[in-house]
Amino acid sequence: AQSVTQPDIHITVSEGASLELRCNYSYGATPYLFWYVQSPGQGLQLLLKYFSGDTLVQGIKGFEAEFKRSQSSFNLRKPSVHWSDAAEYFCAVAPNTNAGKSTFGDGTTLTVKP
Amino acid sequence: EPEVTQTPSHQVTQMGQEVILRCVPISNHLYFYWYRQILGQKVEFLVSFYNNEISEKSEIFDDQFSVERPDGSNFTLKIRSTKLEDSAMYFCASRRPQGSGTEAFFGQGTRLTVV
Repeated sequence: AQSVTQPDIHITVSEGASLELRCNYSYGATPYLFWYVQSPGQGLQLLLKYFSGDTLVQGIKGFEAEFKRSQSSFNLRKPSVHWSDAAEYFCAVAPNTNAGKSTFGDGTTLTVKP
Repeated sequence: EPEVTQTPSHQVTQMGQEVILRCVPISNHLYFYWYRQILGQKVEFLVSFYNNEISEKSEIFDDQFSVERPDGSNFTLKIRSTKLEDSAMYFCASRRPQGSGTEAFFGQGTRLTVV
C-alpha cells in the first residue's frame, strides 16, 4: 500500500520569498504523484502531476515539483510567493494501476506574511 | 472546460436519516470515485467504480455506504443511516480510461452536516 508524508504541518513565508513544501512517499514501484491546493471551504485544485518522463514538472500558478526516486520525494517549489498562495497544500500518490485511487498526505498549511 | 459537478453544495441531515449525494462526472470518463474529508483532516479514498461495479473500496466504506450509477450521467453515494461522524466534505472524481492522461478530476464537493 502507498503512503504519503508531509513533514511540515504549517509553514509561514514572507510575500516574495521562495517556497518549498516537502513530500515523501512510499510505494513499491514508480507511482503517480500529485500536488493539490485547497482554500478554506473549497474544493481541490490540481497544481501539477507526475506520471513519467522529465522529473521536473511545471504546474499552474508558477509552481513546480521535482520527482527524486532515490529520495522518494516530490517536493513542491515556487520562486516567489504571492499573498494569494495562502492555502492548504496536499501531496498525493496513486498506484500506476489506478491513477484515480490517491492516498493524500496530511497537508501543509501555508501562511504568507505581508 | 468540462468539469465534475456535485449537488447539493451543502446538505444538513438528521442523525439516522438516509442521504444521497449526487455527482455528474465528465461525460467521456469511465472511472468514478468518492473521497471524503473530515473538517481539518486529510482527504481519504472511499471507493472506486468502473463498469457498473465497485472496483476498490477502503475500510471506511462499510455497509452503511453504497454507490450507484443510476443512469448514463449521474453517480451517487448513499449513506443509509447517517451518524454524527459522517459529517465531512465528500468529493466525487472521475477519470478517463487508463493510459490516456489519467489523473482524476475532482468536483467542488458536498459538505454534509449530520445533526
